[in-house]
Amino acid sequence: KAGVTQTPRYLIKTRGQQVTLSCSPISGHRSVSWYQQTPGQGLQFLFEYFSETQRNKGNFPGRFSGRQFSNSRSEMNVSTLELGDSALYLCASSFGGYNEQFFGPGTRLTVL
Amino acid sequence: ELKVEQNPLFLSMQEGKNYTIYCNYSTTSDRLYWYRQDPGKSLESLFVLLSNGAVKQEGRLMASLDTKARLSTLHITAAVHDLSATYFCAAHRGYNNNDMRFGAGTRLTVKP
Repeated sequence: KAGVTQTPRYLIKTRGQQVTLSCSPISGHRSVSWYQQTPGQGLQFLFEYFSETQRNKGNFPGRFSGRQFSNSRSEMNVSTLELGDSALYLCASSFGGYNEQFFGPGTRLTVL
Repeated sequence: ELKVEQNPLFLSMQEGKNYTIYCNYSTTSDRLYWYRQDPGKSLESLFVLLSNGAVKQEGRLMASLDTKARLSTLHITAAVHDLSATYFCAAHRGYNNNDMRFGAGTRLTVKP
């Protein structure tokens, strides 16, 4: 079956702009989680959506937001971009709860 | 607060040798994951360890979980160059919670 897909794969933005990243989960998965990966901070949990509701949130500022649609696809938005937002953003899908997560290929965001 | 610590962070091995990566986590979590990441790529699921005493093996990799000691190990047997990658362990922050915390990763290099 098809895996988790993320678009776009690469993105270059400038400081102050905003960006929207998209994630399509594996068919049947209702949970989508987002992670930020940087060389300095490693992999950090951003938030999780399940059935269109944000269920868990990591320790990130309000500039980071997300949503989930009725078909379980999810978007993540970062407003007022800062240089430190440059990272690989990974989404992962699962059936929800305490189940194994499967990761997408990631979106590499560069903020200039 | 769940903390996940891996060691070593860097590991350079000769082909044919054995070694173990250790993963300690700070709170009760009876589910532990190991992932592999190649440079510039996403996370590939290696093992899901679901209970105390669980042991799983795939090729030259074997993972185990001791929930009492809050310790998981990833043992590499007779390393080959293809195993060169970064290995992460991760634990759920709690039941029914897709907030996963990752270790810092172990960058493994296998030399001929």
